[in-house]
Amino acid sequence: QKEVEQNSGPLSVPEGAIASLNCTYSDRGSQSFFWYRQYSGKSPELIMFIYSNGDKEDGRFTAQLNKASQYVSLLIRDSQPSDSATYLCAVEPYGGATNKLIFGTGTLLAVQP
Amino acid sequence: GAVVSQHPSRVICKSGTSVKIECRSLDFQATTMFWYRQFPKQSLMLMATSNEGSKATYEQGVEKDKFLINHASLTLSTLTVTSAHPEDSSFYICSANTGGYGCTFGSGTRLTVV
Repeated sequence: QKEVEQNSGPLSVPEGAIASLNCTYSDRGSQSFFWYRQYSGKSPELIMFIYSNGDKEDGRFTAQLNKASQYVSLLIRDSQPSDSATYLCAVEPYGGATNKLIFGTGTLLAVQP
Repeated sequence: GAVVSQHPSRVICKSGTSVKIECRSLDFQATTMFWYRQFPKQSLMLMATSNEGSKATYEQGVEKDKFLINHASLTLSTLTVTSAHPEDSSFYICSANTGGYGCTFGSGTRLTVV
């Protein structure tokens, strides 16, 4: 069973702090990694994707990938109350259908004003 | 950017009736679309992979005769929930393969069966 695991939270951080969201995956051959944000009652929206080991930055968001340790993380700097949502980690396993993503259960982030 | 349109956004139907949900890629062609279901406070559950011009591939435990999927064109996939029952009430979301950068999701359909 190819799995993606996330701490369900809630992760509570004060406004302006750095939120750190983590995800581990079981399929060592996984190729592509995605972070989606889902507000309550809405569908997920893509925040970032990362393919290579290391860090990838986009504005306040930084994705980090470590294939040897099989984890991917998302850092949110200067957290805002509007960042409060569920963050879903998704992995495209090796040999899978194109873009057939395996999702984690999501981490609920609560940014306190 | 890639846009996926999903309709209807909400539907309430009587038990025993069928409901059709449409998923359209507006500015790109999607050879593959995915259908998910999400119960309250739970994660996305992949139901099936919809391939243009061929039969859908269903995930284990998903009844293909109950959840009919048609992907007749490169821009449209439909999910029909047949003989719906209250336990089918859920949030149904489609997504489309954008060709390299993950999937784009539709806005979702909240189905309530009464």
